[in-house]
Amino acid sequence: DAGVIQSPRHEVTEMGQEVTLRCKPISGHNSLFWYRQTMMRGLELLIYFNNNVPIDDSGMPEDRFSAKMPNASFSTLKIQPSEPRDSAVYFCASSLQGDEQFFGPGTRLTVL
Amino acid sequence: AQKITQTQPGMFVQEKEAVTLDCTYDTSDPSYGLFWYKQPSSGEMIFLIYQGSYDQQNATEGRYSLNFQKARKSANLVISASQLGDSAMYFCAMRGRLYGGSQGNLIFGKGTKLSVKP
Repeated sequence: DAGVIQSPRHEVTEMGQEVTLRCKPISGHNSLFWYRQTMMRGLELLIYFNNNVPIDDSGMPEDRFSAKMPNASFSTLKIQPSEPRDSAVYFCASSLQGDEQFFGPGTRLTVL
Repeated sequence: AQKITQTQPGMFVQEKEAVTLDCTYDTSDPSYGLFWYKQPSSGEMIFLIYQGSYDQQNATEGRYSLNFQKARKSANLVISASQLGDSAMYFCAMRGRLYGGSQGNLIFGKGTKLSVKP
């Protein structure tokens, strides 16, 4: 299996621009998670989906962040407009029925 | 509230020796899962080991073992025969609250940076 795939791996953008991060979970997994990692706050959940339905989005910082999962093999995390404080590594992870979560390689976002 | 605490920001160990990384947790749920992940300098998150709250035996995976003490709410990771490649950040995590049977998210500790000396 190819594992969790994320794109892009690196993104540099200017404040105010829209950013879209993409994730393809492992085939057959029914849960998908978006995490953000920063030095100050560590690893924190943004949102997770079960069977394509958002279950917990309490970690989404504010209305500038939105996430979708239109089908079982694809999810997006969008930031509009982006701000410098959004700079972080964004991880997507997937799992099956309570088993361990497999993480993608992450997207390193830099907002100037 | 559910919480994971890792009190060791950094640790050193001599190559070939064993090392214990501490993790304590707090939850009121009777059913939970505990995980350890490794994050090398390249940045990826690598799953190491899992312990379920009802598991009677401590989990083991190769050189990794989890010292699970339920009454003390601790889930320490033991790495035996340390190797240079073990140098990395190590995160303890707990599976969060389940919603209607669905898989919960992971709640992470702040991590411990392990450095293996030759």
